[in-house]
Amino acid sequence: AQSVAQPEDQVNVAEGNPLTVKCTYSVSGNPYLFWYVQYPNRGLQFLLKYITGDNLVKGSYGFEAEFNKSQTSFHLKKPSALVSDSALYFCAAHFLSGGYNKLIFGAGTRLAVHP
Amino acid sequence: GAVVSQHPSWVICKSGTSVKIECRSLDFQATTMFWYRQFPKQSLMLMATSNEGSKATYEQGVEKDKFLINHASLTLSTLTVTSAHPEDSSFYICSARVSASYNEQFFGPGTRLTVL
Repeated sequence: AQSVAQPEDQVNVAEGNPLTVKCTYSVSGNPYLFWYVQYPNRGLQFLLKYITGDNLVKGSYGFEAEFNKSQTSFHLKKPSALVSDSALYFCAAHFLSGGYNKLIFGAGTRLAVHP
Repeated sequence: GAVVSQHPSWVICKSGTSVKIECRSLDFQATTMFWYRQFPKQSLMLMATSNEGSKATYEQGVEKDKFLINHASLTLSTLTVTSAHPEDSSFYICSARVSASYNEQFFGPGTRLTVL
Protein backbone atom coordinates (compact mmCIF):
# COMPACT_ATOMS: atom_id res chain seq x y z
CA ALA A 1 0.00 0.00 0.00
CA GLN A 2 1.09 3.52 -0.72
CA SER A 3 2.05 5.42 2.40
CA VAL A 4 3.99 8.33 3.78
CA ALA A 5 5.36 8.29 7.29
CA GLN A 6 6.46 11.15 9.46
CA PRO A 7 7.77 9.41 12.56
CA GLU A 8 7.90 12.47 14.79
CA ASP A 9 4.76 14.18 16.05
CA GLN A 10 6.80 17.16 17.17
CA VAL A 11 10.30 18.48 16.71
CA ASN A 12 11.77 21.04 19.08
CA VAL A 13 14.78 23.10 18.13
CA ALA A 14 16.45 26.25 19.38
CA GLU A 15 16.53 29.28 17.12
CA GLY A 16 19.68 29.35 15.05
CA ASN A 17 20.22 25.61 15.22
CA PRO A 18 19.78 23.31 12.24
CA LEU A 19 16.49 21.46 11.94
CA THR A 20 15.43 18.20 10.36
CA VAL A 21 11.90 16.94 9.87
CA LYS A 22 11.84 13.31 8.82
CA CYS A 23 9.78 11.66 6.11
CA THR A 24 9.83 8.19 4.60
CA TYR A 25 7.66 6.93 1.81
CA SER A 26 6.39 3.76 0.26
CA VAL A 27 5.05 4.29 -3.22
CA SER A 28 5.37 2.27 -6.37
CA GLY A 29 7.34 3.57 -9.31
CA ASN A 30 9.35 6.75 -9.33
CA PRO A 31 8.14 8.96 -6.52
CA TYR A 32 7.16 12.57 -6.78
CA LEU A 33 7.63 14.00 -3.29
CA PHE A 34 6.51 17.26 -1.76
CA TRP A 35 6.78 19.25 1.44
CA TYR A 36 4.07 21.65 2.57
CA VAL A 37 3.77 23.90 5.61
CA GLN A 38 0.56 24.83 7.39
CA TYR A 39 0.04 27.73 9.76
CA PRO A 40 -2.92 27.72 12.20
CA ASN A 41 -6.31 27.84 10.48
CA ARG A 42 -4.68 28.22 7.10
CA GLY A 43 -4.31 26.09 4.01
CA LEU A 44 -1.08 24.44 3.02
CA GLN A 45 1.80 26.33 1.46
CA PHE A 46 4.11 24.59 -0.98
CA LEU A 47 7.76 24.46 0.12
CA LEU A 48 9.52 22.22 -2.38
CA LYS A 49 9.26 19.12 -4.52
CA TYR A 50 11.41 16.33 -5.89
CA ILE A 51 10.59 14.99 -9.32
CA THR A 52 13.91 13.89 -10.76
CA GLY A 53 17.51 15.02 -10.97
CA ASP A 54 19.62 16.34 -8.13
CA ASN A 55 18.83 14.60 -4.86
CA LEU A 56 19.14 17.84 -2.92
CA VAL A 57 16.19 20.08 -3.57
CA LYS A 58 16.09 23.69 -2.47
CA GLY A 59 12.81 25.39 -1.73
CA SER A 60 11.13 28.37 -0.15
CA TYR A 61 12.22 30.17 3.04
CA GLY A 62 15.66 28.53 3.07
CA PHE A 63 14.34 24.98 3.35
CA GLU A 64 15.84 22.08 1.48
CA ALA A 65 15.20 18.35 1.32
CA GLU A 66 17.32 15.40 0.39
CA PHE A 67 15.90 12.52 -1.59
CA ASN A 68 17.47 9.20 -0.62
CA LYS A 69 16.23 6.37 -2.77
CA SER A 70 17.96 3.58 -0.89
CA GLN A 71 16.44 4.71 2.40
CA THR A 72 13.17 5.81 0.79
CA SER A 73 13.44 9.06 2.67
CA PHE A 74 12.86 12.72 1.93
CA HIS A 75 13.86 14.62 5.05
CA LEU A 76 13.27 18.36 5.27
CA LYS A 77 16.17 20.46 6.52
CA LYS A 78 17.14 24.02 7.26
CA PRO A 79 20.61 25.13 8.38
CA SER A 80 19.41 27.76 10.84
CA ALA A 81 15.90 27.69 12.31
CA LEU A 82 13.80 30.79 12.92
CA VAL A 83 11.02 31.19 15.46
CA SER A 84 8.75 32.02 12.53
CA ASP A 85 9.37 28.53 11.12
CA SER A 86 7.17 27.13 13.90
CA ALA A 87 4.28 25.45 12.10
CA LEU A 88 2.89 22.10 11.00
CA TYR A 89 4.83 20.41 8.23
CA PHE A 90 3.45 17.77 5.88
CA CYS A 91 5.34 15.44 3.60
CA ALA A 92 3.38 14.12 0.63
CA ALA A 93 3.88 11.66 -2.18
CA HIS A 94 2.16 11.52 -5.50
CA PHE A 95 0.82 8.22 -6.74
CA LEU A 96 -1.54 6.84 -9.31
CA SER A 97 -4.77 5.22 -8.13
CA GLY A 98 -7.76 4.21 -10.17
CA GLY A 99 -6.45 6.13 -13.13
CA TYR A 100 -6.14 9.32 -11.15
CA ASN A 101 -3.09 11.07 -9.77
CA LYS A 102 -3.35 11.76 -6.06
CA LEU A 103 -1.33 13.02 -3.16
CA ILE A 104 -1.03 11.04 0.02
CA PHE A 105 0.03 12.97 3.08
CA GLY A 106 2.00 12.02 6.13
CA ALA A 107 0.45 12.65 9.52
CA GLY A 108 2.32 15.90 9.92
CA THR A 109 5.09 17.06 12.23
CA ARG A 110 4.75 20.09 14.43
CA LEU A 111 7.92 22.13 14.48
CA ALA A 112 8.50 24.33 17.52
CA VAL A 113 11.43 26.71 17.35
CA HIS A 114 12.33 28.25 20.70
CA PRO A 115 14.02 31.66 21.07
CA GLY B 1 0.97 33.62 -8.88
CA ALA B 2 -0.87 30.35 -8.29
CA VAL B 3 -3.37 31.65 -5.77
CA VAL B 4 -6.36 29.61 -4.71
CA SER B 5 -9.17 31.20 -2.75
CA GLN B 6 -12.00 29.67 -0.76
CA HIS B 7 -15.24 31.21 0.30
CA PRO B 8 -16.42 31.42 2.97
CA SER B 9 -13.47 31.14 5.31
CA TRP B 10 -15.76 30.00 8.09
CA VAL B 11 -19.42 29.14 8.39
CA ILE B 12 -21.76 28.14 11.18
CA CYS B 13 -25.00 26.46 10.27
CA LYS B 14 -27.86 24.58 11.86
CA SER B 15 -28.15 20.85 11.61
CA GLY B 16 -30.11 19.78 8.55
CA THR B 17 -29.19 22.74 6.38
CA SER B 18 -26.91 22.70 3.33
CA VAL B 19 -23.70 24.66 2.97
CA LYS B 20 -21.84 25.52 -0.23
CA ILE B 21 -18.09 26.17 -0.27
CA GLU B 22 -16.44 27.73 -3.30
CA CYS B 23 -12.89 27.14 -4.46
CA ARG B 24 -11.38 29.38 -7.12
CA SER B 25 -8.04 29.46 -8.86
CA LEU B 26 -7.43 33.17 -9.24
CA ASP B 27 -4.57 33.42 -11.72
CA PHE B 28 -4.40 30.09 -13.46
CA GLN B 29 -6.63 27.47 -14.99
CA ALA B 30 -6.86 24.32 -12.95
CA THR B 31 -7.50 21.15 -14.86
CA THR B 32 -7.97 19.27 -11.63
CA MET B 33 -9.23 20.32 -8.23
CA PHE B 34 -9.21 18.36 -5.02
CA TRP B 35 -11.24 18.53 -1.85
CA TYR B 36 -9.73 17.53 1.48
CA ARG B 37 -11.03 17.29 4.99
CA GLN B 38 -8.86 17.89 8.01
CA PHE B 39 -9.80 17.07 11.59
CA PRO B 40 -8.02 18.81 14.46
CA LYS B 41 -4.41 17.81 14.78
CA GLN B 42 -4.74 15.35 11.93
CA SER B 43 -3.56 15.13 8.38
CA LEU B 44 -5.51 15.94 5.27
CA MET B 45 -7.82 13.24 3.99
CA LEU B 46 -8.68 13.37 0.32
CA MET B 47 -12.43 13.39 -0.20
CA ALA B 48 -12.72 13.69 -3.96
CA THR B 49 -10.98 14.65 -7.17
CA SER B 50 -12.74 16.68 -9.80
CA ASN B 51 -11.87 17.50 -13.38
CA GLU B 52 -13.56 20.33 -15.19
CA GLY B 53 -16.67 19.23 -17.00
CA SER B 54 -16.79 15.72 -15.60
CA LYS B 55 -18.12 14.01 -12.53
CA ALA B 56 -16.02 13.99 -9.41
CA THR B 57 -14.29 10.84 -8.26
CA TYR B 58 -14.91 10.18 -4.60
CA GLU B 59 -12.64 8.36 -2.22
CA GLN B 60 -13.85 5.23 -0.52
CA GLY B 61 -16.12 6.00 2.37
CA VAL B 62 -17.10 9.49 1.19
CA GLU B 63 -20.82 9.82 0.44
CA LYS B 64 -21.21 11.46 -2.92
CA ASP B 65 -24.85 12.35 -2.27
CA LYS B 66 -23.88 14.14 0.90
CA PHE B 67 -20.83 15.95 -0.43
CA LEU B 68 -21.83 17.29 -3.84
CA ILE B 69 -18.98 18.55 -5.98
CA ASN B 70 -19.40 20.64 -9.10
CA HIS B 71 -16.42 21.66 -11.22
CA ALA B 72 -18.16 24.03 -13.56
CA SER B 73 -15.14 25.75 -15.05
CA LEU B 74 -11.36 25.68 -15.07
CA THR B 75 -11.31 28.19 -12.24
CA LEU B 76 -14.21 27.17 -10.01
CA SER B 77 -15.17 24.10 -8.02
CA THR B 78 -17.86 23.96 -5.36
CA LEU B 79 -18.46 21.56 -2.49
CA THR B 80 -21.96 21.41 -1.05
CA VAL B 81 -22.45 19.67 2.25
CA THR B 82 -26.09 18.59 2.18
CA SER B 83 -28.20 18.09 5.29
CA ALA B 84 -25.25 18.90 7.48
CA HIS B 85 -24.85 17.26 10.88
CA PRO B 86 -22.52 18.07 13.76
CA GLU B 87 -20.16 15.26 12.72
CA ASP B 88 -19.61 17.11 9.44
CA SER B 89 -17.94 19.91 11.36
CA SER B 90 -14.39 20.09 10.10
CA PHE B 91 -11.83 22.12 8.18
CA TYR B 92 -12.36 21.73 4.45
CA ILE B 93 -9.48 22.54 2.14
CA CYS B 94 -9.45 22.62 -1.63
CA SER B 95 -6.47 22.51 -3.93
CA ALA B 96 -5.91 23.01 -7.61
CA ARG B 97 -3.36 21.66 -10.02
CA VAL B 98 -2.30 22.67 -13.48
CA SER B 99 -2.12 19.92 -16.10
CA ALA B 100 0.75 17.51 -15.48
CA SER B 101 0.41 15.15 -12.56
CA TYR B 102 3.84 15.99 -11.15
CA ASN B 103 2.93 19.61 -10.69
CA GLU B 104 2.39 20.73 -7.16
CA GLN B 105 -1.07 21.36 -5.87
CA PHE B 106 -1.89 24.87 -4.72
CA PHE B 107 -4.06 24.95 -1.66
CA GLY B 108 -6.81 27.28 -0.63
CA PRO B 109 -6.85 28.80 2.86
CA GLY B 110 -9.52 26.40 4.04
CA THR B 111 -13.09 26.72 5.29
CA ARG B 112 -14.01 25.91 8.84
CA LEU B 113 -17.50 24.46 9.03
CA THR B 114 -19.30 24.24 12.35
CA VAL B 115 -22.68 22.52 12.43
CA LEU B 116 -24.76 23.20 15.50
